[in-house]
This record gives sequence, C-alpha cells and structure tokens, in this order.
Amino acid sequence: TQLLEQSPQFLSIQEGENLTVYCNSSSVFSSLQWYRQEPGEGPVLLVTVVTGGEVKKLKRLTFQFGDARKDSSLHITAAQPGDTGLYLCAGPRNYQLIWGAGTKLIIKP
Amino acid sequence: DVKVTQSSRYLVKRTGEKVFLECVQDMDHENMFWYRQDPGLGLRLIYFSYDVKMKEKGDIPEGYSVSREKKERFSLILESASTNQTSMYLCASSPRPGLAAGEQYFGPGTRLTVT
Repeated sequence: TQLLEQSPQFLSIQEGENLTVYCNSSSVFSSLQWYRQEPGEGPVLLVTVVTGGEVKKLKRLTFQFGDARKDSSLHITAAQPGDTGLYLCAGPRNYQLIWGAGTKLIIKP
Repeated sequence: DVKVTQSSRYLVKRTGEKVFLECVQDMDHENMFWYRQDPGLGLRLIYFSYDVKMKEKGDIPEGYSVSREKKERFSLILESASTNQTSMYLCASSPRPGLAAGEQYFGPGTRLTVT
C-alpha cells in the first residue's frame, strides 16, 4: 500500500502549457519533499514544505502544502522541455522517507 | 559540491552470481541508504545505515545484505542474484545524524540486469 499517492502517473503536454501534479495521503506528515529525477540520474531535491498551507516558489514551479499536512501540489507555469522528468514526493515516517511512485512529465517542444 | 558516486552505471550478471554494488559519498554524512526503483513502484528502501558498522533493514531486505566499514562507503551485496532483482539501484546519503528523514542526496544509479 502506497502511503503517498501521486497523480497523474503520466502527463505529456506542449511547451508553454500550465500543469499541476498532486501528492496525497490519508496520513499527516510533518513535512513533504519534492524531488525531480531526470533520465539516467538520481533524484534531486527541489523543495521541502513544512508548514500547513505553506506555498513555496522556485522560478516557474509553485509548491503548496495542504492545510492539514496530508497533501501537496506542484504547479508549473509555462512548462519548458527542461522540466521533463519524474517528479517524486517523499515524507518522513519512522526515521525513513516514504516515497510516492512519481509523476512522469514530458514537455514537448 | 555534494557528491555521491556509484561504482557502475550499468551491470549485467548471471543468475546465481554474487554481486557487489559500491557507493561512496564525500559529504561526511552519517546516514546512507540503498533503494531499488521499479516503474510504478517508486523507491523502495532495501537497507540503511546511520553509522559505521550499523545497519537497519528497510522494506525489502530479502536477498540483499550490506556493509559499512567506513563512513563514506556503503556496499550492497546480492548473495545469489536472481532475475527478479533486475532493477535500478540508487544509493543516497543524508546529513541528519540519527534520523533518516532529512534531505537525501542520490548517486546516479546502477541499472542491474540479471539474466
């Protein structure tokens, strides 16, 4: 059973479009991390959200942590081909990180 | 710059072979991890270590063992490789002493094929 559910599993859109991907759980997390993994590489941390309702921006990427700290979203404005990759969310549980299965994002030029 | 290196990017082994995957980090991190990544399943933790000579089982330790003789090096061993161990193996390290839930830094991964 996946404690962190990510949706959609796969998304392919044209350059310049906006998109939102989700990370949901029935459990409360003290924080959530978002990573991006490019083909042939390991995941790289993008951001950590800690406070319920928190919004963090990283250039065209906007991350939000739900008020109840059970979910998070990543919104990309004017997607670029360089945004292509696997987006993973992860949350701490019992001294480990629990990982979602990821959203595979392809941005077509 | 933060660096986690893995000994091989691609590896092909035969069923029954003993396989060693090596991971080295140069950040003086206490915590190190081995994951396997399969499509649709995300990252699954095999083993982690929060100190030299210490190891803890993750979610899927069966068929694997680990060794951490030095702080910077964490090895994953497949005692007798099987085809269901064909996967991408990712090593990571974390600077949070005593806890494994902080930001993790990953190596590039080893894609292992067992035939």
